[in-house]
Amino acid sequence: DGGITQSPKYLFRKEGQNVTLSCEQNLNHDAMYWYRQDPGQGLRLIYYSQIVNDFQKGDIAEGYSVSREKKESFPLTVTSAQKNPTAFYLCASSARTGFNEQYFGPGTRLTVT
Amino acid sequence: AQKVTQAQTEISVVEKEDVTLDCVYETRDTTYYLFWYKQPPSGELVFLIRRNSFDEQNEISGRYSWNFQKSTSSFNFTITASQVVDSAVYFCALTLLSGGYNKLIFGAGTRLAVHP
Repeated sequence: DGGITQSPKYLFRKEGQNVTLSCEQNLNHDAMYWYRQDPGQGLRLIYYSQIVNDFQKGDIAEGYSVSREKKESFPLTVTSAQKNPTAFYLCASSARTGFNEQYFGPGTRLTVT
Repeated sequence: AQKVTQAQTEISVVEKEDVTLDCVYETRDTTYYLFWYKQPPSGELVFLIRRNSFDEQNEISGRYSWNFQKSTSSFNFTITASQVVDSAVYFCALTLLSGGYNKLIFGAGTRLAVHP
């Protein structure tokens, strides 16, 4: 079955530690995205990538970093510089061109204490 | 400015009631797409529908229907004969082409609770 996987589902970290969230897709999509969702709010774009070895900052990139070494994978690192990292993180992918719908993974809930 | 407004934060209905979720958008672009996504308690966003700015035909899919009115910049979503499984947060989104990729702008979502 084609889809997007994110692991783990729940992640707990101590303040000051970097943490990497995994996102893998087998939909053969060129474009991938990371969003952050806070309680009662919509999704906000962190980073996006249109193609391997290329990525761009979204609306709230500060304190986050990404890499895109393979088409299938787009890991997100939440660094200690992110002031309020506790949130629900969603990864998505889409065909690169045009107004194609984005397909989402199941999300990772990160709690930093 | 590009913006999506879902004025209804929470809606509570009893099973079998019809319910309409409102979505109003703002954009200066003439070419854009509108989407609805469902987020059940599991957290994953599920794509429901895509509608382009040139197609104002209403769409029906089973118990779901969508009413797109460009004149009022609205793209409302109606669930007929609601069921408990419809309980979820529903997001309306607007997509624009920005720098060659489709940027999704989400509303804040409407939480729908359907009670037996």
